[in-house]
Amino acid sequence: EAEVAQSPRYKITEKSQAVAFWCDPISGHATLYWYRQILGQGPELLVQFQDESVVDDSQLPKDRFSAERLKGVDSTLKIQPAELGDSAMYLCASSLPKTVGELFFGEGSRLTVL
Amino acid sequence: GENVEQHPSTLSVQEGDSAVIKCTYSDSASNYFPWYKQELGKRPQLIIDIRSNVGEKKDQRIAVTLNKTAKHFSLHITETQPEDSAVYFCAARSGATNKLIFGTGTLLAVQP
Repeated sequence: EAEVAQSPRYKITEKSQAVAFWCDPISGHATLYWYRQILGQGPELLVQFQDESVVDDSQLPKDRFSAERLKGVDSTLKIQPAELGDSAMYLCASSLPKTVGELFFGEGSRLTVL
Repeated sequence: GENVEQHPSTLSVQEGDSAVIKCTYSDSASNYFPWYKQELGKRPQLIIDIRSNVGEKKDQRIAVTLNKTAKHFSLHITETQPEDSAVYFCAARSGATNKLIFGTGTLLAVQP
């Protein structure tokens, strides 16, 4: 069964350092999402792509976060500089475009900022 | 903006009892309402979903109901088992933006 791939699974970094997360969606899924999940809370949408275009990044802290999906397939989420409050699980999900249907989540990348 | 409220935040039931989790949404353009189960340290996984043209959907011990007028939807789990223990998230997806907004989660504990 096809799955969303994410790496790294775990990342420990010191504040002010740069961090990057990678996501490879299920083949054929044009819509890609990055969510942030703080322990004990629901996933919060950071950015949504349709192919290579950003369709929503209203909750992305643009002073330190950036996301790209250059060829409309895999995606990278970057944080620079990392802050203590960025410690969370970063979940990538994908879905078929323009249909009302399931989001498939990756295993997530757990970030700890010291 | 869009908002999804979920209650209760924690729920403890005895094995074999029923569990009900309720959500309300603010965006009237929402047309898709999934429920995800997340076990500790794992990814959220879809357990059931409902579209806005349907009022109720059932899959074995799990059912979801939708009241579009009141902007409410609920998850019902019957004959609960210890393996149902997890965090459950409701979500609402806007038909206008395709944006999926999650509720805050309910920690369900099924006591054997």
